[in-house]
Amino acid sequence: DAGVIQSPRHEVTEMGQEVTLRCKPISGHNSLFWYRQTMMRGLELLIYFNNNVPIDDSGMPEDRFSAKMPNASFSTLKIQPSEPRDSAVYFCASSSPGLEGTGELFFGEGSRLTVL
Amino acid sequence: GENVEQHPSTLSVQEGDSAVIKCTYSDSASNYFPWYKQELGKRPQLIIDIRSNVGEKKDQRIAVTLNKTAKHFSLHITETQPEDSAVYFCAASDYKLSFGAGTTVTVRA
Repeated sequence: DAGVIQSPRHEVTEMGQEVTLRCKPISGHNSLFWYRQTMMRGLELLIYFNNNVPIDDSGMPEDRFSAKMPNASFSTLKIQPSEPRDSAVYFCASSSPGLEGTGELFFGEGSRLTVL
Repeated sequence: GENVEQHPSTLSVQEGDSAVIKCTYSDSASNYFPWYKQELGKRPQLIIDIRSNVGEKKDQRIAVTLNKTAKHFSLHITETQPEDSAVYFCAASDYKLSFGAGTTVTVRA
C-alpha cells in the first residue's frame, strides 16, 4: 500500500481564498483523522471520522473549517475563507482499530498551508 | 477531554547516553499510549506503544513504562545515536489520540 496520500503538499494562498486539502487513507482503514501542526499549538486533532461518519469535530476551530468523507477512500478539509492564522501543516492520518481498541495512526506527509 | 503534558520540551544528550521523556495524562479512561518520532520536515511515525494492561514494553534501545495509578508514562532511549535526534511526541487515547507538546531531542556526537 502507498500509505496515506495527501494533496497538495504545499499550498500558498491569499487571505480570503478557499482552500481544499485532500486525503486518501490506507485501504481497509476505517478511522480517519485530520490534525493541524503549528509550533505554538503542537499537534491538534481537528476532526475524527469512523466508517465515514464524523464522530468528533470538537477540535474544528470555527465555522470557516469543514470536513467531509463521502466514501471510505477520500476525505477533504476545507477552509473558507482562509486567514493568515490558518497557516500550518495539516496532517491526515488513518487507522484500523483492533479488538484491543485504538490502533496505530499512519500519517500522510502533510499539506503545508501558507496564507498570506 | 484528554490533556497530555510532556517534559522536557528540549533534551540534549551526549551520544551513547540515555534519554528519558515523561508524560502525564488526565483521563483515566485512556488505555493506549503510543510514542511518535518526527524528523524535521517529515511525518510523525510510531516507534513504540503500550496498552493499559501492560506496565513496561521494550524494543531494542527504546522502552516505555506506564503507571496507570499515577497517570504517567515515560520513554527511555538507551545508547543514543545521532539518528535519534528528532521531536518525540507522547499520546494518550481512549478512542482518539491526544498528543503532548513534543520533546526536541538532540544527540551530540
